[in-house]
Amino acid sequence: DTGVSQDPRHKITKRGQNVTFRCDPISEHNRLYWYRQTLGQGPEFLTYFQNEAQLEKSRLLSDRFSAERPKGSFSTLEIQRTEQGDSAMYLCASSLANLGTQYFGPGTRLLVL
Amino acid sequence: RKEVEQDPGPFNVPEGATVAFNCTYSNSASQSFFWYRQDCRKEPKLLMSVYSSGNEDGRFTAQLNRASQYISLLIRDSKLSDSATYLCAVLNSGAGSYQLTFGKGTKLSVIP
Repeated sequence: DTGVSQDPRHKITKRGQNVTFRCDPISEHNRLYWYRQTLGQGPEFLTYFQNEAQLEKSRLLSDRFSAERPKGSFSTLEIQRTEQGDSAMYLCASSLANLGTQYFGPGTRLLVL
Repeated sequence: RKEVEQDPGPFNVPEGATVAFNCTYSNSASQSFFWYRQDCRKEPKLLMSVYSSGNEDGRFTAQLNRASQYISLLIRDSKLSDSATYLCAVLNSGAGSYQLTFGKGTKLSVIP
């Protein structure tokens, strides 16, 4: 399968714990995006990378959230001191720099108890 | 006014029917437009990009009206497998931003 992959697919954690998610983009794609989706809403943009550079962050990305893409390939999204309001589907997408079309991974569904 | 708005539905249509969804966007500088399909508890999957001249892919036709700032999706001869939520997405790539802004989605149920 050469699509976007994400790990884990599901995560249940207790409030206050830290969680980390991983995204592996389509191999030749140099742009990588993180979105969050809650029930009944469309995906909301969090941040994006071009290669290893993080070029844009949404105001939704509080200081408890951090994302990295150290070698310009896979990316991680960490949430520190999780809150119940962080419960959502976290989606990763990738694209080629010269095309706007973004392809999504299967998502990581987070439940904070 | 929200950046991207869609009628949430649900649209309940019989098999074989034609159904149309509209989506309006507020940023007149928006440059690229897409329809995604999302099944329950799955990721959005690209259905089609929307081009200025309109485009068709089998039973699906997408149109863009820049003057009125809306895009549309027409599905002909609906199949049971078309049941899903259809998300419209707008890309504003000015000023170095490449984020997609999505509507909340329109739910379609095709009934036997």
